[in-house]
Amino acid sequence: QVQVVQSGAEVKKPGASVKVSCKTSGYTFTTYGVSWVRQAPGQGLEWMGWISTHTGKTKYAEKLQGRVTLTTDTATSTGYMELRSLRSDDTAMYYCAREAGWYNDYWGQGTLVTVSS
Amino acid sequence: QSVLTQPPSVSGAPGQRVTISCTGSSSDIGAGNDVHWYQQVPGRAPKVLIYGNSNRPSGVPDRFSGSKSGTSASLAITGLQAEDEADYYCQSYDSSLSGSYVFGTGTKVTVL
Repeated sequence: QVQVVQSGAEVKKPGASVKVSCKTSGYTFTTYGVSWVRQAPGQGLEWMGWISTHTGKTKYAEKLQGRVTLTTDTATSTGYMELRSLRSDDTAMYYCAREAGWYNDYWGQGTLVTVSS
Repeated sequence: QSVLTQPPSVSGAPGQRVTISCTGSSSDIGAGNDVHWYQQVPGRAPKVLIYGNSNRPSGVPDRFSGSKSGTSASLAITGLQAEDEADYYCQSYDSSLSGSYVFGTGTKVTVL
């Protein structure tokens, strides 16, 4: 069965970077893309970006351009999201999800990233 | 980057029918891009309810249905049940500039 498991919670200081992992199993990794979505406390869903696991092509949300990088490791079927120059308003639950043709069908459990001095 | 507009909240008694609207623009829904719907129970990851405007993944009850017309889409829940109390989000694709996915603002469904 398809499984998507994310790395654990992180606490970072303003200005630091964070890298969240998203390990998948139960399907051929390079057949589906990986999307990243975040949700600030009490707020709605915000799309962050998408990566093709087949070609490495990426798309990023305009507001995060230059601060976020999505990568994958096909050998371990794992996706990564790195966010740099962290600010307090980056405090959120970060989700990765399998992209099954324009929508997300399997989601990770979420990784809480807290940015605090 | 555009955003899709949803009502903040809708409510209904058990057994009733409720609908959630999702209003976009000519660059996203109106550009012919599909709309998808997600359900999120507090403290849990979102779960896909409807994909490709009106398709239900296996395991999703047929009480949930989706439709799309012009620059808008709707999610209907018939025979409302207590377990349907959750947040609901629509999603589409914005074809402007370099392209990006966009989510709706979210709707809280309360079962009275």
